[in-house]
Amino acid sequence: EPEVTQTPSHQVTQMGQEVILRCVPISNHLYFYWYRQILGQKVEFLVSFYNNEISEKSEIFDDQFSVERPDGSNFTLKIRSTKLEDSAMYFCASSGTSRPNEQFFGPGTRLTVL
Amino acid sequence: DAKTTQPTSMDCAEGRAANLPCNHSTISGNEYVYWYRQIHSQGPQYIIHGLKNNETNEMASLIITEDRKSSTLILPHATLRDTAVYYCIVRGLYNQGGKLIFGQGTELSVKP
Repeated sequence: EPEVTQTPSHQVTQMGQEVILRCVPISNHLYFYWYRQILGQKVEFLVSFYNNEISEKSEIFDDQFSVERPDGSNFTLKIRSTKLEDSAMYFCASSGTSRPNEQFFGPGTRLTVL
Repeated sequence: DAKTTQPTSMDCAEGRAANLPCNHSTISGNEYVYWYRQIHSQGPQYIIHGLKNNETNEMASLIITEDRKSSTLILPHATLRDTAVYYCIVRGLYNQGGKLIFGQGTELSVKP
């Protein structure tokens, strides 16, 4: 069964550094998403992406964040200058056009900012 | 999207049916009820969705009341691997490819 993959599984970085989290969505999906979950808290929406542009973003997704689909398979989330409060699990998800509300999530990248 | 209310936690004995309720009294006519779950430290997983008819798939059944103000997710024979947080989410069909708004969900513990 096709699945969403994410790399790395765990990323440790120093405050102020840039990080790029990578995702490979399911191959025929056209909607892409990033969510995050701070330890012990709810899953929070960050951004959705369709047709090579951001469809929607949350208040969390400020100028420090950016997303990109650099080629036909990868979808990336970049945090330009990480803060301690960016420490969280980041989940990528994708969905297809026939059932766009059925989102398939990846296993997540645990980001630890020191 | 309509607000949902779920119990914070529930227990279920292994092999028994787990019935997880959800209230969505402000649901509108074109909004679907979706259920997702999150097993500890993993990404959320889609389970099932419905509009007004009862639905069943290989994972679960969804029973929606006639007035659509509440629904119940049924795991017919719960196993230890079904221990997870279950989220009931109401979404409009018009909101194609839009964000999912996760609440606190119901933490289901399946016990041997």
